[in-house]
Amino acid sequence: ILNVEQSPQSLHVQEGDSTNFTCSFPSSNFYALHWYRWETAKSPEALFVMTLNGDEKKKGRISATLNTKEGYSYLYIKGSQPEDSATYLCASLRDKVIFGPGTSLSVIP
Amino acid sequence: DGGITQSPKYLFRKEGQNVTLSCEQNLNHDAMYWYRQDPGQGLRLIYYSQIVNDFQKGDIAEGYSVSREKKESFPLTVTSAQKNPTAFYLCASGNQPQHFGDGTRLSIL
Repeated sequence: ILNVEQSPQSLHVQEGDSTNFTCSFPSSNFYALHWYRWETAKSPEALFVMTLNGDEKKKGRISATLNTKEGYSYLYIKGSQPEDSATYLCASLRDKVIFGPGTSLSVIP
Repeated sequence: DGGITQSPKYLFRKEGQNVTLSCEQNLNHDAMYWYRQDPGQGLRLIYYSQIVNDFQKGDIAEGYSVSREKKESFPLTVTSAQKNPTAFYLCASGNQPQHFGDGTRLSIL
């Protein structure tokens, strides 16, 4: 993998459902992996900064895991709420920050 | 409060005109970045600077220019050579993680 890729591109879930999405990144020269939440009409805000293989981070109902050897990270949202609706970006830090295209999440009440 | 300030919030460009977008940060970050977002797309890197008096081209630098004479400031000039400048422009600082301004929306008159 040469670029940062995210899947799926978009996701619609019912309120209360749990969901997850994937970020794939180049595993060579890895330094850090970031997750951001980008709500409409706001600026992206950092959720997690992950650096170690096997790292797991949690913030409320949102958690993330990291596998640096195979170059992927998962973001999980437990019991999705309408306020979780946003675009979730991952970014790989090597010599510069490289963003993936994002996963757009819509939580239907 | 520490943060990033982008100005103006909205900007209009006439044909053949250069316009400059301002980005100022008081977070004492060495790194600063400029991104462009088009409808339905993710963040694309225009230019970045890891230290004062040095900057590098990103993925879509053509038609843009920057300067980094001060640590706090990283202005972006959209030149007349940029044929499709209408977009939302985001400035960010820092690498671990990034902190974003509120953006400038540029339109063509």
